[in-house]
Amino acid sequence: AQRVTQPEKLLSVFKGAPVELKCNYSYSGSPELFWYVQYSRQRLQLLLRHISRESIKGFTADLNKGETSFHLKKPFAQEEDSAMYYCALFNQAGTALIFGKGTTLSVSS
Amino acid sequence: NAGVMQNPRHLVRRRGQEARLRCSPMKGHSHVYWYRQLPEEGLKFMVYLQKENIIDESGMPKERFSAEFPKEGPSILRIQQVVRGDSAAYFCASSIGGENTIYFGEGSWLTVV
Repeated sequence: AQRVTQPEKLLSVFKGAPVELKCNYSYSGSPELFWYVQYSRQRLQLLLRHISRESIKGFTADLNKGETSFHLKKPFAQEEDSAMYYCALFNQAGTALIFGKGTTLSVSS
Repeated sequence: NAGVMQNPRHLVRRRGQEARLRCSPMKGHSHVYWYRQLPEEGLKFMVYLQKENIIDESGMPKERFSAEFPKEGPSILRIQQVVRGDSAAYFCASSIGGENTIYFGEGSWLTVV
């Protein structure tokens, strides 16, 4: 079965501290993975897609097939990073994104 | 590009009434997706449509919910005889097609009283 697990419901860090938002997946084959960010009651915005290997707003994510993980990282958190972060992958049929339950990141000064 | 447009942004319905949520995809996009966001549950896929076709409705409740994406006009998510449990944020998204990047609208918040 295809599944995305984000084990942390809430992650609180201080400004300037490193951030790692965890994402594990279950998928048969090579998954297409994404991170989306949602600021308070706004639309989900694409943060990054693993095949593009881009770094957006200082965030990066590396696909680790051995650990079936796609953790999101940023070396120095900023207060404006406070938001809900969703990890997602395309289902086997390619017809829908399957989302994890999300992790709320709270960055305080 | 105006992005994915949803309306209404907020909708209040009494139990038993009908709710209609509209979604206009991004320009050039012919694939539309509907998701429901419930508190503490994240985003749940409901349905995937192309113009005039339902491709995957595996996430749609069997009763009271329907979706369409006509040749002309926006996609419509219709909920008949709403109940309190239907209260949620409903997000529409669109893509060029296939497994391309999916872009989301700002959501429609349905409250059933």
